[in-house]
Amino acid sequence: QQQVKQSPQSLIVQKGGISIINCAYENTAFDYFPWYQQFPGKGPALLIAIRPDVSEKKEGRFTISFNKSAKQFSLHIMDSQPGDSATYFCAASTMEYGNKLVFGAGTILRVKS
Amino acid sequence: DGGITQSPKYLFRKEGQNVTLSCEQNLNHDAMYWYRQDPGQGLRLIYYSQIVNDFQKGDIAEGYSVSREKKESFPLTVTSAQKNPTAFYLCASSRTQFSGNTIYFGEGSWLTVV
Repeated sequence: QQQVKQSPQSLIVQKGGISIINCAYENTAFDYFPWYQQFPGKGPALLIAIRPDVSEKKEGRFTISFNKSAKQFSLHIMDSQPGDSATYFCAASTMEYGNKLVFGAGTILRVKS
Repeated sequence: DGGITQSPKYLFRKEGQNVTLSCEQNLNHDAMYWYRQDPGQGLRLIYYSQIVNDFQKGDIAEGYSVSREKKESFPLTVTSAQKNPTAFYLCASSRTQFSGNTIYFGEGSWLTVV
């Protein structure tokens, strides 16, 4: 119930292409869905986040799409750049679980130039 | 600059020894967290604290201990009871523990058992 399943485990995209990472959850009480970006040897940093009352949120080249009925959400990186190469984590939280973040397993993205 | 400082960055421990990882934040955040990161497993919550002198176990607390004597500090002790302590440890903080509050992470500490 508290799991967030993330796919794919790794992804290779050509420069300028679209990177898509998907996450699925079971607990319908989750009410906050952030995405974090992590570079090697560094701590994760918040990239973008969404609440279930909207179906899409866009910030620059990064977009979260949210499908409440399917209990899925995804990160789209438009015009992917080599500097986007990093590990991406989706996460979710709910007051039922003390508002602690539950993380997906991560996706290693490599953008080829 | 405001942020979260973890030290040391790299630490080697002999089996049977306890080690303490430091975490200090100057963001005036109430909530602090410790996560463990292993390849392919994402981040798993070890302990968290909502206020000074209070903390709760996370999902993988066995073999770890924490204290929260000051708002700014949340040290993690990895005890000899932790069976597989080699990992990347991340400290984090947020303004409160309410849903939607951004969690900020430190740079992490690498612990290796030799």
